[in-house]
Amino acid sequence: GNSVTQMEGPVTLSEEAFLTINCTYTATGYPSLFWYVQYPGEGLQLLLKATKADDKGSNKGFEATYRKETTSFHLEKGSVQVSDSAVYFCALRSDRKLSFGAGTTVTVRA
Amino acid sequence: EAGVVQSPRYKIIEKKQPVAFWCNPISGHNTLYWYLQNLGQGPELLIRYENEEAVDDSQLPKDRFSAERLKGVDSTLKIQPAELGDSAVYLCASSLDGRAQETQYFGPGTRLLVL
Repeated sequence: GNSVTQMEGPVTLSEEAFLTINCTYTATGYPSLFWYVQYPGEGLQLLLKATKADDKGSNKGFEATYRKETTSFHLEKGSVQVSDSAVYFCALRSDRKLSFGAGTTVTVRA
Repeated sequence: EAGVVQSPRYKIIEKKQPVAFWCNPISGHNTLYWYLQNLGQGPELLIRYENEEAVDDSQLPKDRFSAERLKGVDSTLKIQPAELGDSAVYLCASSLDGRAQETQYFGPGTRLLVL
């Protein structure tokens, strides 16, 4: 079946640090890949997505590249801000089903 | 544009009591989803509707859970009777249709605590 494995947290960083959250997946066929973010007290929001191999999704300074050869979709940001503190979820969509990873809590300190 | 609306935001009940959650999707969205999110985990799909038809309810525990979307718009998820293990966040999401690349938009969720 389909599954997503992402880096365990929590992750604590200082402002302006580089952030990487690893995400790998197992799926049949050619899934679409997503990163969702959940800010404190809010619902999940789509951060970025990629629908085919080698696509790069980007938004708000975050980037992730769909790597079919390594079945990965790692999330990166070059310089984080306190406002990036949130829980980040990697997800894949295949057969009309969205499968999520367990989430990675990121805390950015001023 | 209004997002996905859910109510209540929080609910505390005693075990064996019934509980219901309501969801109003984004206007024009034909596909509606209910997810269960346990603490420290990602959401897991309970049921998916295409208009008023439940097209995937394979993960819905049908002995105690039920859902409906009578007019293809709002939806209600019910638990009867609730158990301690049902304490979780119940998320509703919607999308224009069920295509693989279609973005799902999530509501803020209903946090349920069963005592």
